[in-house]
Amino acid sequence: DIQMTQSPSFLSASVGDRVTINCKASQNINKYLDWYQQKHGEAPKLLIYNTNNLQTGIPSRFSGSGSGTDYTLTISSLQPEDVATYFCLQHSSRPRTFGGGTKLELK
Amino acid sequence: EVQLVESGGGLVQPGRSLKLSCLASGFTFSNYGMNWIRQAPGKGLEWVASISSSSSYIYYADTVKGRFTISRDNAKNTLYLQMTSLRSEDTALYYCARERASFDYWGQGVMVTVSS
Repeated sequence: DIQMTQSPSFLSASVGDRVTINCKASQNINKYLDWYQQKHGEAPKLLIYNTNNLQTGIPSRFSGSGSGTDYTLTISSLQPEDVATYFCLQHSSRPRTFGGGTKLELK
Repeated sequence: EVQLVESGGGLVQPGRSLKLSCLASGFTFSNYGMNWIRQAPGKGLEWVASISSSSSYIYYADTVKGRFTISRDNAKNTLYLQMTSLRSEDTALYYCARERASFDYWGQGVMVTVSS
């Protein structure tokens, strides 16, 4: 199984900050990497698919990059509504595996 | 509007069975693979099972293989998860999710608590 190591586990930032979250796969996942946002008490929501494709309706301050085993989610200017836990998911192979999550809070 | 609504959760004793359902609407259900994903209280996400659009391909996580069965009824736009021999570690919020490689739509989840 492909292991997804996400960092940091916890992140505190101020409104307007640039925020980056990382996921490292245990093997090459060929850019089959998604990012999900889960607000408290809600279901996860797809933000970015296949490394750098913004899902419909997601603000352009969210972006993704990466290749091989290393991937990054960037929020260019943090907004209060971005407080959430973020997960990465690889769908290069089965079983699908998630990163452990990054809890993002406002400073 | 795509909607996925799970049902069938509850409190169940260890070793017993439970069947979850996920009613889909707002899209052509028979065109999409579907998945069950769970989240234990305060924990991360764990993929549980997936089924292709015509039920030809089915996959399970090792943690549930042999105990859980995923199925679907395309005429009823419904996805199922039959869970048997339940354990305390199966306690979680269970989500159904539509698959287009990515999990692009999720239900709100249904809670399953396994406890004596």
